[in-house]
Amino acid sequence: AQSVTQLGSHVSVSEGALVLLRCNYSSSVPPYLFWYVQYPNQGLQLLLKYTTGATLVKGINGFEAEFKKSETSFHLTKPSAHMSDAAEYFCAVSTSGNTPLVFGKGTRLSVIA
Amino acid sequence: DSGVTQTPKHLITATGQRVTLRCSPRSGDLSVYWYQQSLDQGLQFLIQYYNGEERAKGNILERFSAQQFPDLHSELNLSSLELGDSALYFCASSPDSTYYGYTFGSGTRLTVV
Repeated sequence: AQSVTQLGSHVSVSEGALVLLRCNYSSSVPPYLFWYVQYPNQGLQLLLKYTTGATLVKGINGFEAEFKKSETSFHLTKPSAHMSDAAEYFCAVSTSGNTPLVFGKGTRLSVIA
Repeated sequence: DSGVTQTPKHLITATGQRVTLRCSPRSGDLSVYWYQQSLDQGLQFLIQYYNGEERAKGNILERFSAQQFPDLHSELNLSSLELGDSALYFCASSPDSTYYGYTFGSGTRLTVV
């Protein structure tokens, strides 16, 4: 069965600094990988996804992630943090088009002025 | 507005009671997924329906049940409620497969007292 591990339940960065949120997955077959963001009192919003093709994927709000099969990782990055990026971020995996997404525990990102 | 509508937004009820949560998927989406979000368990997949048929089952208790109606809206029924059932319940929808990612509703916050 697939699983997701997000390293660090809380990450704090200064405004303008690099954002790096880590995600490692476990899957016996090529995975579909997703990052979602959740703002307080809201549902989850899709940031970006990897299904096939280019391993570096760009998403909304300046975020991007790189699928590294050899490292079973799909880390999320943003070159320069903004105060509005403060939220909870979830990595998710599916092993095929028909299996429901399995989510990591989430990482809370704080941005310090 | 994501296009996925969940009602009610908040629900407070007593132990032993039964409640029904409602979800209307985004227009054109055939799949509906229910997730439970709690502080200790994170986002847990409960059940998936596709075009009226149950497609996948996750960590759903026997006290919980769901269905998807011909107009594609879905209801999640929670009975014999316990304090531990207090959580955020999310509905998500997708056109067909997980390939497209999910669109989430804003959730129903259930408090059992």
